[in-house]
Amino acid sequence: SQQGEEDPQALSIQEGENATMNCSYKTSINNLQWYRQNSGRGLVHLILIRSNEREKHSGRLRVTLDTSKKSSSLLITASRAADTASYFCATPTGTASKLTFGTGTRLQVTL
Amino acid sequence: NAGVTQTPKFQVLKTGQSMTLQCAQDMNHNSMYWYRQDPGMGLRLIYYSASEGTTDKGEVPNGYNVSRLNKREFSLRLESAAPSQTSVYFCASSPGMGGGFYEQYFGPGTRLTVT
Repeated sequence: SQQGEEDPQALSIQEGENATMNCSYKTSINNLQWYRQNSGRGLVHLILIRSNEREKHSGRLRVTLDTSKKSSSLLITASRAADTASYFCATPTGTASKLTFGTGTRLQVTL
Repeated sequence: NAGVTQTPKFQVLKTGQSMTLQCAQDMNHNSMYWYRQDPGMGLRLIYYSASEGTTDKGEVPNGYNVSRLNKREFSLRLESAAPSQTSVYFCASSPGMGGGFYEQYFGPGTRLTVT
């Protein structure tokens, strides 16, 4: 069963625009993680936000976490063609010994 | 540092054949994981190993076995391959023994087709 669900499933924007994708989850968590996957490659960790944090930045990435709404958002500012990828949120499950990944948002950035 | 390496990159099997997917990490991580990724399904955990000497089932363990050979290596075995096991397989590792508290590092994947 999916813990995290990303929205939208697909997003197409032009270079220079901002891209926002959302993740909703079902149970209480102590952290939420975002990953990027370029076509045909493995996932790359982008950012981890803990439950006591509301916002975190890393370069052009901004992640927010609202534990009351059980949701998170990933904002990519001034997008580039190289940002074209699938983006996944992931949350700890069970005894927190593992992560559960959502189905991802496919981002297409066109020139 | 090579990070997480997987072999082979591609494999075609006939139904009923067996094979082992190899994974190694050079980051001295405690936890290692095997996932499969199917179109529209995201990543699903097959097996994981929270520490050397331990293995546990994930969400979709049926038809697979694993071995944590040492701290570096974690292999995934398909004893009798079925077409439903056609997928892309990813190995990952993370520091610490509670994988949900740490970021995971992924290998490049093995694309497996079972005919």
